[in-house]
Amino acid sequence: DVKVTQSSRYLVKRTGEKVFLECVQDMDHENMFWYRQDPGLGLRLIYFSYDVKMKEKGDIPEGYSVSREKKERFSLILESASTNQTSMYLCASSLELRDANTGELFFGEGSRLTVL
Amino acid sequence: AQSVTQLGSHVSVSEGALVLLRCNYSSSVPPYLFWYVQYPNQGLQLLLKYTSAATLVKGINGFEAEFKKSETSFHLTKPSAHMSDAAEYFCAVRMYNNNDMRFGAGTRLTVKP
Repeated sequence: DVKVTQSSRYLVKRTGEKVFLECVQDMDHENMFWYRQDPGLGLRLIYFSYDVKMKEKGDIPEGYSVSREKKERFSLILESASTNQTSMYLCASSLELRDANTGELFFGEGSRLTVL
Repeated sequence: AQSVTQLGSHVSVSEGALVLLRCNYSSSVPPYLFWYVQYPNQGLQLLLKYTSAATLVKGINGFEAEFKKSETSFHLTKPSAHMSDAAEYFCAVRMYNNNDMRFGAGTRLTVKP
C-alpha cells in the first residue's frame, strides 16, 4: 500500500515564526501536492510538484513556498506564519497521468496547524 | 477550468436508510471523477472512481456512484446507512491531461440511530 507520511500531526506556532511541514511518500510517485482544508471550503490546492525541483502554484500559494529536493519528499514552508494560516494541511501523492492510470491521490493523515 | 459542486454541506439519515450525496461537475469533456471519504482527524481515502469504463461504479463499504453525462452528475449512494458511515465525503474531478485535482466543498454525513 502507498504510504504518505506527514511529519507532524499537530503543531502550535506563534505569529511570525517559520514553519516547515514535511511529507514523505514511499511509492515512487512523480506528483506530490499540498492542500489546505478549511470548513465549508473543501480542499484548496496550495502547490504541487510533478518532478524533483519542479513546482507549480495552485489556487492559494500566497504566504507559502515549497521544496522538493528528492522525489519522495515534499516540504511546505510558511515563511512567516500568520493567524489566518491556522488550518489542516494535507499532503498527497500520485503517479503521473499516463496510459490507464487515473492519477488518483493518496493522502497523508494531515497536519493541524494552529498559529497564535 | 473544471470544478465540482456538492449539494448540501450536511446530510443526516437514519441508520438503515438510503444515503444520497450529490455531486455535479462542470466540464465539456467527461473527466475522471472520484469520491473520497474522511473520518475525523484523518486524511482522505478513496471510495471509488469513474474512468469511463462503466457508468455505474462500485466502491468500498457498499457505496456506489453513477456517472450521468447528460446531467453532469456523479452522485454517491448506499442503500442502507451504517453508523460507521458517519464522515465527510468529497467529490473530486480531474481532466485526462491535467495533474490538478479539484475538490468539492464536502458533505458531512450524520447517521442517527
